[in-house]
Amino acid sequence: GENVEQHPSTLSVQEGDSAVIKCTYSDSASNYFPWYKQELGKGPQLIIDIRSNVGEKKDQRIAVTLNKTAKHFSLHITETQPEDSAVYFCAAPPYGQNFVFGPGTRLSVLP
Amino acid sequence: EAGVAQSPRYKIIEKRQSVAFWCNPISGHATLYWYQQILGQGPKLLIQFQNNGVVDDSQLPKDRFSAERLKGVDSTLKIQPAKLEDSAVYLCASSLDSGRGSYNEQFFGPGTRLTVL
Repeated sequence: GENVEQHPSTLSVQEGDSAVIKCTYSDSASNYFPWYKQELGKGPQLIIDIRSNVGEKKDQRIAVTLNKTAKHFSLHITETQPEDSAVYFCAAPPYGQNFVFGPGTRLSVLP
Repeated sequence: EAGVAQSPRYKIIEKRQSVAFWCNPISGHATLYWYQQILGQGPKLLIQFQNNGVVDDSQLPKDRFSAERLKGVDSTLKIQPAKLEDSAVYLCASSLDSGRGSYNEQFFGPGTRLTVL
């Protein structure tokens, strides 16, 4: 089955700096790549997603880049703010199969 | 619009007891998911419904877990009997029609935190 890994598992940055989280997956049939943000005591919330026919997508301070050949995609957050502190999950469901989420990355933005 | 509703928010039971969780998805969402999230891990899909039919329940421990979605709206997830390792947050999510191979944004409820003593 699909194996999804995230690196790093924890990340601390100073407010205003950039943060990058990488997600690797094993199944080359994956064609949809979302990133979810989970704040304490809440359910995950989609923040950005990308499909396999696109290499990069940006939404204000958040961007995702995809390298299908190497089977990895990354979340980029610029000008980080304290409210960006949360756990971030990626997923890479192979076509016709269900969601397998990564183990999560805990991001702390220090004021 | 109203989000995904779940109840109860917290539940504490003893092992071997039974427990049920309820989920009300966003109106108009045909697809409903139940996930188990153990502390420090990513959500693990237990079962996916498309309207009132099961799309995938391959990771549902069917000897003790059951789920239903009568009339294609609300859903309940039941555990009977509970084990210590069932302690987790149970998340319900819904999305627009997402059959196999097509993916739409999943909207998650706040979850039910289950503690089994």
